[in-house]
Amino acid sequence: DGGITQSPKYLFRKEGQNVTLSCEQNLNHDAMYWYRQDPGQGLRLIYYSQIVNDFQKGDIAEGYSVSREKKESFPLTVTSAQKNPTAFYLCASSPHRDSNQPQHFGDGTRLSIL
Amino acid sequence: SQQGEEDPQALSIQEGENATMNCSYKTSINNLQWYRQNSGRGLVHLILIRSNEREKHSGRLRVTLDTSKKSSSLLITASRAADTASYFCATDATGGFKTIFGAGTRLFVKA
Repeated sequence: DGGITQSPKYLFRKEGQNVTLSCEQNLNHDAMYWYRQDPGQGLRLIYYSQIVNDFQKGDIAEGYSVSREKKESFPLTVTSAQKNPTAFYLCASSPHRDSNQPQHFGDGTRLSIL
Repeated sequence: SQQGEEDPQALSIQEGENATMNCSYKTSINNLQWYRQNSGRGLVHLILIRSNEREKHSGRLRVTLDTSKKSSSLLITASRAADTASYFCATDATGGFKTIFGAGTRLFVKA
């Protein structure tokens, strides 16, 4: 079945360490997104990519980096500059660059600090 | 910035009752979407209503949109325990690319 796969499901980060969250989709979607969700809150956009080899900062990009070398993959790196990384991270995709499209979500990665 | 805000923050009902959630937003939109999130999982798209539509149905779901009041409502009829989840509205600004999510309504349906 087509869908979005996020891995790992749980991730622990040590002080000063960079960690990378994986997001892979086999839906042939052009656009991909990374969101951060804190307890009891909505989603905040970290980065988005409308097409391969292109991406833009969202509302809370500081301390994060991404790449989009392949259509299927949009990994997110949480750098040591992100001082409060504990959160639930969600990856999503949509068919086209047009924002008027429902987004398909993965099941998330929960990141915690050791 | 534009944002959908859901009301109430939490709702607890008995199985079989109807559940109504509301969403308000601040600026003109192209469309409004509703999503569902089960605990610890990703969001699942439920329904999209365009700015020129007033009402839309999908199974036990009924969504209304009032652009003059900048508000939408999601009605779940004959609720089931399996409907227990958080429900989010999401809006797009006209001319913009990003989708903005509200903080959600947490629905608990008691069996």
